[in-house]
Parts: sequence; structure tokens; C-alpha cells
Amino acid sequence: NAGVTQTPKFQVLKTGQSMTLQCAQDMNHEYMSWYRQDPGMGLRLIHYSVGAGITDQGEVPNGYNVSRSTTEDFPLRLLSAAPSQTSVYFCASFQAPSGSGGALADTQYFGPGTRLTVL
Amino acid sequence: RKEVEQDPGPFNVPEGATVAFNCTYSNSASQSFFWYRQDCRKEPKLLMSVYSSGNEDGRFTAQLNRASQYISLLIRDSKLSDSATYLCVVNTNAGKSTFGDGTTLTVKP
Repeated sequence: NAGVTQTPKFQVLKTGQSMTLQCAQDMNHEYMSWYRQDPGMGLRLIHYSVGAGITDQGEVPNGYNVSRSTTEDFPLRLLSAAPSQTSVYFCASFQAPSGSGGALADTQYFGPGTRLTVL
Repeated sequence: RKEVEQDPGPFNVPEGATVAFNCTYSNSASQSFFWYRQDCRKEPKLLMSVYSSGNEDGRFTAQLNRASQYISLLIRDSKLSDSATYLCVVNTNAGKSTFGDGTTLTVKP
């Protein structure tokens, strides 16, 4: 199993450009999430999905779109990049929420991250 | 007030020391609790889950107090390899996770 994969690893954009960060998992996990991590801070939830076709907003959704057409893939789109979106982006997946999938079912597995700089 | 708050740190300790990290959460609907470890801005990895009865994994002990909405992590006999940032994570049963800002530990020879 590859686990959670993310592409690209690094990206530099100019203000106003758009792009899609890719995330895929091969563990058949229903739940997937996107986080951003700024220096000296923890991870903040951007969007998450509880299954194919279902997405919801997290703590910091503005400027980002997501879709979940398959269980495996959960791309994150930056519509018009801004310098404030310079950050490290992590994608994560897990099997099921606490209480419904057994012990450790909501343990999250993370991709290696995408380091994005917006000039 | 943040939903999950951790000791700000950083903690600088000598090898062999015992160090404790604290975390509080505000959402009483929280269902599951974790400590993750993050090295040098790499992806976080699960260190251990936290149960009400307390749990231990080698030199690491985690405790949960639901009444006080408080989570702790104790590391005994610190090793150089324990140097990392420790993230407190709280999940709701709707599948939403909230992370603390992390506490950085540096273990020195």
C-alpha cells in the first residue's frame, strides 16, 4: 500500500494563478481531510469529506474548493492564489469516526505534504 | 479561545529527564483523543491514542480527564530521538479533527 500520496511536493505560484493539489489514498478510507500548516502553528482544517460525493467546510475554507468523485481521490483547488495561502498543505485519511469503526478507526494517516509559495 | 490549547513550550531538557505536556479542549462533544508527533515540518504521525483509563506505551504515558477536558502526555527517560513537536488532537464523532498548535521538545545530550 502506498498510503496517502500528494502531488506536487513543491509549488511556486504567482498571485492570481489557480492550481489543484492532488491527494490519493489506497486504504479504502471513507474520510479524507485537507489541512494547512503555517510556521509555528498547528494544522488547520480547510475542507473534509465523509465519503464520495460529500464534502464540508472546515475552519479555514475561503479561497479553496474541493470535490470527492471517488473514494480514493480528494483534490484541493486554489481558485486565485494569494500570498496568504503560502503554507504547507497536508492531506489525511481515516477509516471511520470514533465509535463506529472500532479502536483506532479514526487514526489519521497523512500524506508527505505540499509546500506552496505564492509570490 | 482556541478549541484545543497546548503548553506553548518550547521544552529543552537533558537526556534522561522526564517531561510532561498538557492539553485542554473546549468541545464537550469530543469523542476521541490523540497525541501525534511531527518532525521538522514533515507529516504528523500517530504517537498514541488517549483513553480515559490512561494508557502506556514504553516510556510514554497518556492520560485523559473528561470532566476537566484535559489531556496529558508524559515522557520518561527522554532520548535525543524524542526531539520533535508533539500535537494534541481531538476528534468529534462527525469525523472532524482539531489540532493544538503543538509543543516543541528538544532533548540535549
